[in-house]
Amino acid sequence: ELQLLESGGGLVQPGGSLRLSCAASGFTFSNYGMSWIRQAPGKGLEWVSAINNPGGVTFYEDAVRGRFTISRDTSRNTLYLQMNSLRVEDTAIYYCAKEVHPNMVVTNFDFWGQGTLVTVSS
Amino acid sequence: QSALTQPASVSGSPGQSITISCTGTSSDVNHYKYVSWYQQHPGKAPKLIIYDVSDRPSGISNRFSGSKSGNTASLTISGLQAEDEADYYCSSYTTTDTKFGGGTKLTVL
Repeated sequence: ELQLLESGGGLVQPGGSLRLSCAASGFTFSNYGMSWIRQAPGKGLEWVSAINNPGGVTFYEDAVRGRFTISRDTSRNTLYLQMNSLRVEDTAIYYCAKEVHPNMVVTNFDFWGQGTLVTVSS
Repeated sequence: QSALTQPASVSGSPGQSITISCTGTSSDVNHYKYVSWYQQHPGKAPKLIIYDVSDRPSGISNRFSGSKSGNTASLTISGLQAEDEADYYCSSYTTTDTKFGGGTKLTVL
């Protein structure tokens, strides 16, 4: 069974850092691009970042570029999001999501994790 | 990065059909085949119901269908059922990112 399991969320002060992880299982992780997508409380979906397979090309939303870094470890079947200089407006549930098509990125997402909540507040 | 435009809400009675629109630009919806739709129930992760404009993932009812004309994509749900009540989001590929619509709340009367 395909599964994506996020972890690493929590409460952090403005200016702080967090690293999110997404453990993947049930599919050949190295064949698929992956994305992080967030949802602020009561708001809509917002794409944040993506990485291709095997991981040499990355993409970022303008609001997070220079502060967030996406990476993947194929040996551990894990996707990461290093978040630095966090702002109050980064508060959201962060989902990792798998591409529908192998060897594609930022197209369609067929499996999502359950999400991990990041709260940025003093 | 402007979001795609969706109506905030739509409603319909059981058994009826409804259509949700998603308007983008010539740089996203009109230009690429990678338009998708997601269903989200309260407190749950989004679920893919349409990808590549009109394809359905395995296990998704054929009551859900997608189409595109110019800058506007559409999701049609036929034979409305109570469990269809949810938020629906469209998205479109743009080569360097994915844009989402603001979401549409579907109420089944």
